[in-house]
Amino acid sequence: GQQLNQSPQSMFIQEGEDVSMNCTSSSIFNTWLWYKQDPGEGPVLLIALYKAGELTSNGRLTAQFGITRKDSFLNISASIPSDVGIYFCAGQWSGSARQLTFGSGTQLTVLP
Amino acid sequence: NAGVTQTPKFQVLKTGQSMTLQCAQDMNHNSMYWYRQDPGMGLRLIYYSASEGTTDKGEVPNGYNVSRLNKREFSLRLESAAPSQTSVYFCASEGQGGLPGGYTFGSGTRLTVV
Repeated sequence: GQQLNQSPQSMFIQEGEDVSMNCTSSSIFNTWLWYKQDPGEGPVLLIALYKAGELTSNGRLTAQFGITRKDSFLNISASIPSDVGIYFCAGQWSGSARQLTFGSGTQLTVLP
Repeated sequence: NAGVTQTPKFQVLKTGQSMTLQCAQDMNHNSMYWYRQDPGMGLRLIYYSASEGTTDKGEVPNGYNVSRLNKREFSLRLESAAPSQTSVYFCASEGQGGLPGGYTFGSGTRLTVV
């Protein structure tokens, strides 16, 4: 099956710093997505990317769909305490009937 | 409020016991999914239902069964629980015709098998 390698596994940053995390795949995806999970809750969609090379922003979040279609990154600028949580990348490929494959997650901690 | 509702929120089972996790959505979505989340492993797909009346296996279906009771409800059954099934289970739904990935997740069921 599809495998996604997400890094880093965890990050500790100071409030105000920028954050970058990425995902790579052994195979091509047609869609890349980034989700955030708060403690005790289900993941919530942050950004969706549908075209190779696409760069999309959502407030302080920016994500890109890699040209090779095998990778994606997420940047968070000027981090704030409420950015704490687990961030997941997810990919969808044409043969999968729309179900997603998730990365293992990046646990983000923002220190005051 | 519109969304995906999962019950129960917490459950402790003894090895060999059975139980059914319930999931319902009120957004008229066609597709529904069951994932399990384990530390360091992200979310792994157990079963999915692309539309009412159909179900298919995902990445980790062994030890589970599902039922798409109607368009709203998609249940996950553990016939004989094992400690390896200790996990957090998430149900999600997605509307047809929308762009891929627009999942709405429930808040999860935390299951411990002792």
